[in-house]
This record gives sequence, C-alpha cells and structure tokens, in this order.
Amino acid sequence: QLQLQESGPGLVKPSETLSLTCTVSGGSISSSSYYWGWIRQPPGKGLEWIGSIYYSGSTYYNPSLKSRVTISVDTSKNQFSLKLSSVTAADTAVYYCARAIYSSGWYQTWGQGTLVTVSS
Amino acid sequence: QSVLTQPPSASGTPGQRVTISCSGSSSNIGSNYVYWYQQLPGTAPKLLIYRNNQRPSGVPDRFSGSKSGTSASLAISGLRSEDEADYYCAAWDDSLSAFYVFGTGTKVTVL
Repeated sequence: QLQLQESGPGLVKPSETLSLTCTVSGGSISSSSYYWGWIRQPPGKGLEWIGSIYYSGSTYYNPSLKSRVTISVDTSKNQFSLKLSSVTAADTAVYYCARAIYSSGWYQTWGQGTLVTVSS
Repeated sequence: QSVLTQPPSASGTPGQRVTISCSGSSSNIGSNYVYWYQQLPGTAPKLLIYRNNQRPSGVPDRFSGSKSGTSASLAISGLRSEDEADYYCAAWDDSLSAFYVFGTGTKVTVL
C-alpha cells in the first residue's frame, strides 16, 4: 500500500528557505505515468497547488510561486523535495505531498500533511 | 488566487440532495477533466471524483459528478452527517503556463 510522509522543519524564519521532503513507501517513485506533487493549505483557507515532478526530473510549477519554488527528486532514496525561498508569513500552511496520475491527473494518494509556520 | 470558482457554502438536511458548482474557463474545465476532493476536518483531502464523473473504489454512489462546457457540478444525494466537509474541484489549466488548479472550496453543512 502506497504511503507518503512529509518531513522537515515546522518553523522557518522570514526571508529564509522552506525545505520539505516527501518519503514514498510501498511503491517506487520511478513508476511510469505518476507525477509527485506538493499542495499547501494556509490555516482556515483553501488548497493551493505548488507544483509537481516526474521521476525523470520534469517539473511543473504554479505560475504564482514559480520564481521561488524548486521541486527535486531523489530516486535512490525514493524521495522528492520542495524548496520555497524568501518565505513570509503568507507561506504559513499545512504542506501536503501527493501522487498524481499524469501531470494533469488526479491526486489519489496523499501524505498526512505537515504544518510549517513562518515566524521570527 | 484560484481560477475555479465555487460557492463558499452549501447545506441540507439528512436525506436531501445537495449540489456544488464549479465555474472555470476554456483553458481549464473547458478542455480538461474535472476532479473533486473531499476534506474532512483535520484530515488530508481525499479523491472523490476523477475524469468528470468517475468514482474511485470505495466512494459511495451517492456522490456524482458532471461537466458541461466550462462548468462542473458535484451532487451529493441522500445527504448524511458524515458528508459534512469541505469540497474542492480541480482541473489542469492549459494557459501559457500549464498548471493544476483547485477551486475555492465549498463547506457543506448537514443541518
């Protein structure tokens, strides 16, 4: 059974870089046709798609975040990662990693989410 | 900011039918599949509908999706207390920068 688990610091200072890793278990991150994505949800607000990556390294990013986001994959560790630079309080959110069918498909498997707070 | 617009809230009594709309444009709903997610309080979203009207295994047939032009709808028939949750539509957007977009979300309350 496929499982995803987010990990990383729960507190990040303003202007610094937020870094999270998603560890995939119960399946290979190198499986064809699947994209691995990051989605966030500020407290009390809706879902926002951040971006996604294929095991080959091909990426898609939300245009509104593209200048600050980098998503990478490490197939040897069955992990993919998110880096968001120059964070502000507006980046405080629960961050989810998830697996999608194709780049434009549906997210069927989600991690439990991890809260990242941006504060000094 | 989302390009898929949903009503902020919807409600009904147990057993009633509730419908949630999702309005988009030609670059997203108009040319791509629509997906629906259910988010119970304090939990990760769960896929409810894929490819406009398909239900994953385990999703009750009380949930149904439809799409017409640049709009889509999710219907919940035989409303139950456990259906009280936030619901989000989503779609791929083929504009200049291709990206995935979620709707603004609808809170369903069972009265």
